[in-house]
Amino acid sequence: GAGVSQSPSNKVTEKGKDVELRCDPISGHTALYWYRQSLGQGLEFLIYFQGNSAPDKSGLPSDRFSAERTGGSVSTLTIQRTQQEDSAVYLCASSLARGSVSNQPQHFGDGTRLSIL
Amino acid sequence: GQQVMQIPQYQHVQEGEDFTTYCNSSTTLSNIQWYKQRPGGHPVFLIQLVKSGEVKKQKRLTFQFGEAKKNSSLHITATQTTDVGTYFCAGYNYGQNFVFGPGTRLSVLP
Repeated sequence: GAGVSQSPSNKVTEKGKDVELRCDPISGHTALYWYRQSLGQGLEFLIYFQGNSAPDKSGLPSDRFSAERTGGSVSTLTIQRTQQEDSAVYLCASSLARGSVSNQPQHFGDGTRLSIL
Repeated sequence: GQQVMQIPQYQHVQEGEDFTTYCNSSTTLSNIQWYKQRPGGHPVFLIQLVKSGEVKKQKRLTFQFGEAKKNSSLHITATQTTDVGTYFCAGYNYGQNFVFGPGTRLSVLP
């Protein structure tokens, strides 16, 4: 099964706690994206990793959000001091390298449903 | 910043009727991708359009990219219950990031 794997699938935590979400991309995919999807809404871009380049963090909503990608593979998204408005589904996607005119399909994981009490 | 809008937000059709969703970008795009998300599922890639005026077909689905590369449409002929889901467009400009539209949620009544 060579799809994008995310864990945990569900996370319920109390307001103020830190959470860590994990994404295991498809082997060989150098591009990795994190998105946030609130109930019934579209996908909000959070962060983009491409190989060993510095990530594009322009979508992170606040300094409570951070992400890293170790060894160009697995990525973790960390949310510190969670707030109720952080409740959403966090989706990870990976693809082959992004181009200038044409791009590769993004392959999405099943997401982590985060609920902040 | 770049904005991508989609209309309609919701569409309810009788099985066998046609369906169209429209995607409009505030800026000219390098390319546009379309995704389908079934209820409870994750987005799945459908197609990418790159050239001005491009038209691509996948069975009952027809995708178009506008001449100005600022708008796109997805048309489904003779909808089936398996077409149920939310259809997203995602616009891309080189050096920037994908911007997803809010999606069009399609319901098909049998």
